[in-house]
Amino acid sequence: EVQLLESGGGLVQPGGSLRLSCAASGFTFSSYAMSWVRQAPGKGLEWVSAISGSGGSTYYIDSVKGRFTISRDNSKNTQYLQMNSLRAEDMAVYYCAKELRFPAGGGMDVWGQGTTVTVSS
Amino acid sequence: QSALTQPASVSGSPGQSITISCTGASSDVGRYNYVSWYQQHPGKAPKLMIYDVSNRPSGVSNRFSGSKSGNTASLTISGLQAEDEADYYCSSYRSSDTPYVFGTGTKVTVL
Repeated sequence: EVQLLESGGGLVQPGGSLRLSCAASGFTFSSYAMSWVRQAPGKGLEWVSAISGSGGSTYYIDSVKGRFTISRDNSKNTQYLQMNSLRAEDMAVYYCAKELRFPAGGGMDVWGQGTTVTVSS
Repeated sequence: QSALTQPASVSGSPGQSITISCTGASSDVGRYNYVSWYQQHPGKAPKLMIYDVSNRPSGVSNRFSGSKSGNTASLTISGLQAEDEADYYCSSYRSSDTPYVFGTGTKVTVL
């Protein structure tokens, strides 16, 4: 069964850091680009970041550039999102998603259950 | 990075057909045939319903169909069923630097 399982969410103070993880199973992880998508409470979906299958290409929404870093370890079938200098507006459920193809943008066909990031003092 | 525009809500009776619009610009929806649609039930992860404007992933009911004209994409749900009640989001490829832009979301209510 194709599956994505996120972890690492939690409560963090403004300015703090968190690292999200997404463990993949059921498909050849290294063959697919991956993305992170977030959803603030009561709001819509917002694409955050994507990474190519090899990890050599990365992409970010403007609001997180310089603060977030996406990476992957294909030997562990896991992708990561390192989030630094967190702001109140980063508070959301973060979803890990598998891209249909590379480059990203053609659709995400497998989603994790989401992990919640709360930014509050 | 403005979002694509969707109606806030659409409703229909069981068995009816409804259509959700998704309006973008000539730089995204109008330029690329990379429009996707997602269904999201409350508290659940999104589910891909349509990709590349009109393609259905395996396992998605053929009651769901997609199309595009100019800068506007559309999702049609035919034979509306109670389980179709959910939020629906469109997305489009925009650029190599920002591959995705999502729509504002539409709440579908089955009367």
